[in-house]
Amino acid sequence: EAQVTQNPRYLITVTGKKLTVTCSQNMNHEYMSWYRQDPGLGLRQIYYSMNVEVTDKGDVPEGYKVSRKEKRNFPLILESPSPNQTSLYFCASSFNDRYQETQYFGPGTRLLVL
Amino acid sequence: AQSVSQHNHHVILSEAASLELGCNYSYGGTVNLFWYVQYPGQHLQLLLKYFSGDPLVKGIKGFEAEFIKSKFSFNLRKPSVQWSDTAEYFCAVASGNTGKLIFGQGTTLQVKP
Repeated sequence: EAQVTQNPRYLITVTGKKLTVTCSQNMNHEYMSWYRQDPGLGLRQIYYSMNVEVTDKGDVPEGYKVSRKEKRNFPLILESPSPNQTSLYFCASSFNDRYQETQYFGPGTRLLVL
Repeated sequence: AQSVSQHNHHVILSEAASLELGCNYSYGGTVNLFWYVQYPGQHLQLLLKYFSGDPLVKGIKGFEAEFIKSKFSFNLRKPSVQWSDTAEYFCAVASGNTGKLIFGQGTTLQVKP
């Protein structure tokens, strides 16, 4: 089944404790991105990757890192999480970065930073 | 900067009522428009999309949307909603040369049985 998976689905952590949220897709997609969803703000792009070893900042990259060592995986790293990073995070992928392509979303990771 | 605005933040309807959710965007060039739906506890799913051609687009589950270029709008409609349509609806725009999506704030639809 074609899908985007994220782990963990729920995470409670404390300020400053490094964490990684994994994202994996099995559709051989080139383009992957991370969004955060906050009430009243919709989804905002954090980082995106157009292919292996090619990543770039989205609209709200502060406090986040990403890597793209393999085509299927695009982990989101919070080196020193803070309470303002409490949010719902979605990973998405599409065949390529052309704007016609439909993006497929993962199930989401709900993060609470205390 | 590009932006997407959804006018209705929270809509409550009774079953069988008609639905129209507004979406306006600000971008003067070629755009591609999407409506995504997020059912409670689930991830975003594509409802419909417009790239070119007929400005009236039909999607899944009886939804449709009309692209009106002169009004920079892409409103979502459904003639008769069901309780199972209770969800959050997001309008999104992709433009330029990238796959980046700009999302609206979302509209929460609650359908009463």
